[in-house]
Amino acid sequence: GQQLNQSPQSMFIQEGEDVSMNCTSSSIFNTWLWYKQEPGEGPVLLIALYKAGELTSNGRLTAQFGITRKDSFLNISASIPSDVGIYFCAGQGLAGTASKLTFGTGTRLQVTL
Amino acid sequence: DGGITQSPKYLFRKEGQNVTLSCEQNLNHDAMYWYRQDPGQGLRLIYYSQIVNDFQKGDIAEGYSVSREKKESFPLTVTSAQKNPTAFYLCASSIAGRQETQYFGPGTRLLVL
Repeated sequence: GQQLNQSPQSMFIQEGEDVSMNCTSSSIFNTWLWYKQEPGEGPVLLIALYKAGELTSNGRLTAQFGITRKDSFLNISASIPSDVGIYFCAGQGLAGTASKLTFGTGTRLQVTL
Repeated sequence: DGGITQSPKYLFRKEGQNVTLSCEQNLNHDAMYWYRQDPGQGLRLIYYSQIVNDFQKGDIAEGYSVSREKKESFPLTVTSAQKNPTAFYLCASSIAGRQETQYFGPGTRLLVL
């Protein structure tokens, strides 16, 4: 099965810094989702994107649906210690694959004081 | 409160043993999913079900089986045919066809003795 390429794999940043991560696919997606997972827990949805070019914010988080529909980006501004976790992108494909999500490999974020 | 429960939190399997992981939801969602998560990898789909008494194989179904006799429940059996079962298993549910509504349980960590 396909997995999305997500980069970077991990990031070590200082509190207050901004963070950028991205996700790319060889296939077109109709929906892009961004999740955060904390240790020993299930992922929690952060942002959902529904059309190419869309830019959506959720507090300090901003995500964009790429124009080509094959990529998406997540930015976190002014990071804080509770931002620590693994961030996953996920895409919902076209008809035939619309009943399931394809997940990225994750970006592990560590925030130091 | 609506949500998904998975039990147990930790499960130990002996060689040649079948074990069953429980997943229950009270969100009135039609669709349910099982994912496997290994370190450094994204979530990989094992099985999914769009409606009661129907389910489809995901990307890595070999060595696993499921049933969907009730809307609220989607148990996963890890059979002895699964030679590398050690992983974190996540159950999710959603409104059918609406992947942005996919909600995850807290997970079960399976370890082999």
